[in-house]
Amino acid sequence: KQEVTQIPAALSVPEGENLVLNCSFTDSAIYNLQWFRQDPGKGLTSLLLIQSSQREQTSGRLNASLDKSSGRSTLYIAASQPGDSATYLCAVIKRALTFGSGTRLQVQP
Amino acid sequence: EPEVTQTPSHQVTQMGQEVILRCVPISNHLYFYWYRQILGQKVEFLVSFYNNEISEKSEIFDDQFSVERPDGSNFTLKIRSTKLEDSAMYFCASSTGTGGGYGYTFGSGTRLTVV
Repeated sequence: KQEVTQIPAALSVPEGENLVLNCSFTDSAIYNLQWFRQDPGKGLTSLLLIQSSQREQTSGRLNASLDKSSGRSTLYIAASQPGDSATYLCAVIKRALTFGSGTRLQVQP
Repeated sequence: EPEVTQTPSHQVTQMGQEVILRCVPISNHLYFYWYRQILGQKVEFLVSFYNNEISEKSEIFDDQFSVERPDGSNFTLKIRSTKLEDSAMYFCASSTGTGGGYGYTFGSGTRLTVV
């Protein structure tokens, strides 16, 4: 059974810092990996989708990498802003999405 | 940008009552899903639906749950006799395909509270 783990569970940084969120998964036979953002009590906003054949994807200040063979992905956020404060979820896709527990990010002004 | 729309945003229901949660997926998407998130826990898969039938379901999706696409646009989740433990945020999602290259688009969720 696929297990997805995200480290750290929570992170508090001052504005402007670059930061890395980690995601690991136990079964490397995945199609894709998708990173989402969730604001408190809200829905899931897709940030980046990485296909299993890709190594990374970039969107603005976000960069996600995927190392399928080792079962790892990282989400890099450059020059963090208070508006980045949210929970970041990674999910691996095979027949359905399997989610991690998320990293709760707080960016201090 | 196309959106997945869910209604209602909040629903409070008495234990034992039936509830129907509604979703309008993105119009050119072919695969539809329901997920739920109990407060403080992971987002969990419930069911996937394609070509007017269930293609995959989890252990959570027991006989109390059913899904339907009653017309060309709506996708519904029915809980027949709600229990306290059904209280959660329910998310609908859709995608154009499955497998490599297809991401999911989620709705903003329905918060179900069973009292």
